[in-house]
Amino acid sequence: QQKVQQSPESLIVPEGGMASLNCTFSDRNSQYFWWYRQHSGEGPKALMSIFSNGDKKEGRFTAHLNKASLHVSLHIKDSQPSDSALYFCAVSMAGSFNKLTFGAGTRLAVCP
Amino acid sequence: GPKVLQIPSHQIIDMGQMVTLNCDPVSNHLYFYWYKQILGQQMEFLVNFYNGKVMEKSKLFKDQFSVERPDGSYFTLKIQPTALEDSAVYFCASSLSLGGLEQYFGPGTRLTVL
Repeated sequence: QQKVQQSPESLIVPEGGMASLNCTFSDRNSQYFWWYRQHSGEGPKALMSIFSNGDKKEGRFTAHLNKASLHVSLHIKDSQPSDSALYFCAVSMAGSFNKLTFGAGTRLAVCP
Repeated sequence: GPKVLQIPSHQIIDMGQMVTLNCDPVSNHLYFYWYKQILGQQMEFLVNFYNGKVMEKSKLFKDQFSVERPDGSYFTLKIQPTALEDSAVYFCASSLSLGGLEQYFGPGTRLTVL
């Protein structure tokens, strides 16, 4: 059964700093990797996806995937107070009906 | 962007009663999902639904649970009868297709079973 683990549980970075979030998964048949962000009282909202090994950059956000190491990460450059939220890594398997397995989340606080 | 709505936002119910959670998915989406999040724990997949059928369900999707979307209206999760361990936030999601396409999540319904 797929296990998704995130670290750290919580992270405090200064405004303008770099935030690095990590996620490991257990099943080598994992195919699709997502980062979701959730603000208090709202549902999770997709931030970005990555499906191939390497880096994917979207604005201030860069995702990195290394399937051999069973590792995916998210890096937020020039962090803003509005980036403060709960970040989830979510993984789905090849051949599944898009079932997402979520990690427990990393709570990011960006301090002005 | 596209929005998924969930009604009600909160529901308090006595153990043993029936509850129906309603989801209004993104209008042209074809795949629908329910996830469960117990306070302080990670979100877990319950079920996905396409073309009137359950495609996949987890072990959390007990016999007391059922889903339907009659005539393209709300996508519903019914629990009958409810148990104390059903207390959680239930998130509905929808996607246009499979193949890694984004799932859009609603804001959740907080269910409290007394």
